[in-house]
Amino acid sequence: GAGVSQSPSNKVTEKGKDVELRCDPISGHTALYWYRQSLGQGLEFLIYFQGNSAPDKSGLPSDRFSAERTGGSVSTLTIQRTQQEDSAVYLCASSKPIAAEQYFGPGTRLTVT
Amino acid sequence: GESVGLHLPTLSVQEGDNSIINCAYSNSASDYFIWYKQESGKGPQFIIDIRSNMDKRQGQRVTVLLNKTVKHLSLQIAATQPGDSAVYFCAENRGTGNQFYFGTGTSLTVIP
Repeated sequence: GAGVSQSPSNKVTEKGKDVELRCDPISGHTALYWYRQSLGQGLEFLIYFQGNSAPDKSGLPSDRFSAERTGGSVSTLTIQRTQQEDSAVYLCASSKPIAAEQYFGPGTRLTVT
Repeated sequence: GESVGLHLPTLSVQEGDNSIINCAYSNSASDYFIWYKQESGKGPQFIIDIRSNMDKRQGQRVTVLLNKTVKHLSLQIAATQPGDSAVYFCAENRGTGNQFYFGTGTSLTVIP
């Protein structure tokens, strides 16, 4: 079946612009996670959704970052007024029950110039 | 070959040898662990998991060992192949929610 998909796969934006990153989880997966991965680094947790609600937003690095999920499916991560330090690969993952194996998408590579 | 994941993030092994990738975790309440493999340009993929009521779990060519006394996790890959070259991450669930905490990863290079 279809896995987790993310779009765009690559995004280059100018400093100060806003960007939206999209994640389509596996159908039926109620939990959805966003992570950030800088070059050669591990995964930094950003936010987690259970259904449409986000009980854990503790990883969002600043108020420029926000995320929403609609219909218990698609999620959008928005970064406002992008900075160069926002450059990274943004990974989305979904899972069926909570605290279980997460299925990752291919990521969106964001470059802020 | 062996690595201590957080201190020696790069491991090179000869094709056919066994590989051991190590991971130390910090929270004694962690009760579920997953090893992921991440190939270049792709998202992490599940390899094997283990719950804290187990010490060892085996998959196809992979074995995960859990030592709760010293909070240490290892991934053993038998007869390492070039296709095993990737970055390997351990992830722990601390039993209080849904967030998994990922280690910094170990880069495995298999030399043909």
